[in-house]
Amino acid sequence: EIVLTQSPATLSLSPGERATLSCRASQSVGRSLAWYQQKPGQAPRLLIYDASNRATGIPARFSGSGSGTDFTLTISSLEPADFAVYYCQQRYNLFTFGPGTKVDIK
Amino acid sequence: QVQLVESGGGVVQPGRSLSLSCAASGFVFSNSGMHWVRQAPGKGLEWVAFISFDQGNRYYPDSLKGRFTISRDNSKNTVYLQMSSLRPEDTAVYYCAKDSRDYADYGWYFDLWGRGTLVTVSS
Repeated sequence: EIVLTQSPATLSLSPGERATLSCRASQSVGRSLAWYQQKPGQAPRLLIYDASNRATGIPARFSGSGSGTDFTLTISSLEPADFAVYYCQQRYNLFTFGPGTKVDIK
Repeated sequence: QVQLVESGGGVVQPGRSLSLSCAASGFVFSNSGMHWVRQAPGKGLEWVAFISFDQGNRYYPDSLKGRFTISRDNSKNTVYLQMSSLRPEDTAVYYCAKDSRDYADYGWYFDLWGRGTLVTVSS
């Protein structure tokens, strides 16, 4: 099983600041990685797929990078609606999610 | 309207069975692979099952294989999850999710999610 580790567990930032979230895989997943956003009481929403492609309707302030075992989700300038939990997910060997990074308001 | 609506959740005793349904609308269901994903209270996401568009392929994590079965009825635009020998640790919100790639034999990503249905396993 491929294990995904996300860091930090919590990121405390102010609106307008840049957020950098990390996801590390226990073995290479190529570029077969996605990022999701989940707000309290809501289902997750696909943000990024294949490591760096924005899903339909996702604002340009969200970007993804990386390959192999190390991946990054960057939010260039945090909007109030961006405070949420973010999960990475791999599809290289079945499907697993990381434990999540909570982005909260400082 | 493009949506997925889960149903069938509730309280069930340990060791019993429960079946969940997910009704799809607004897209060509028969072209899409489908997944179930669960989330225990206050916890992260756990993938549960995948079924390909034509039912030719089904995948499960090793931890659930043998207890959970995914199926679909393309004439009813519905995907199902049959759960047996339920345990307290199966307590979670169960989401169905649409796969992001049409006609795929193996899953890709989850690009449409339902609102979930809560399953509580307790005596």
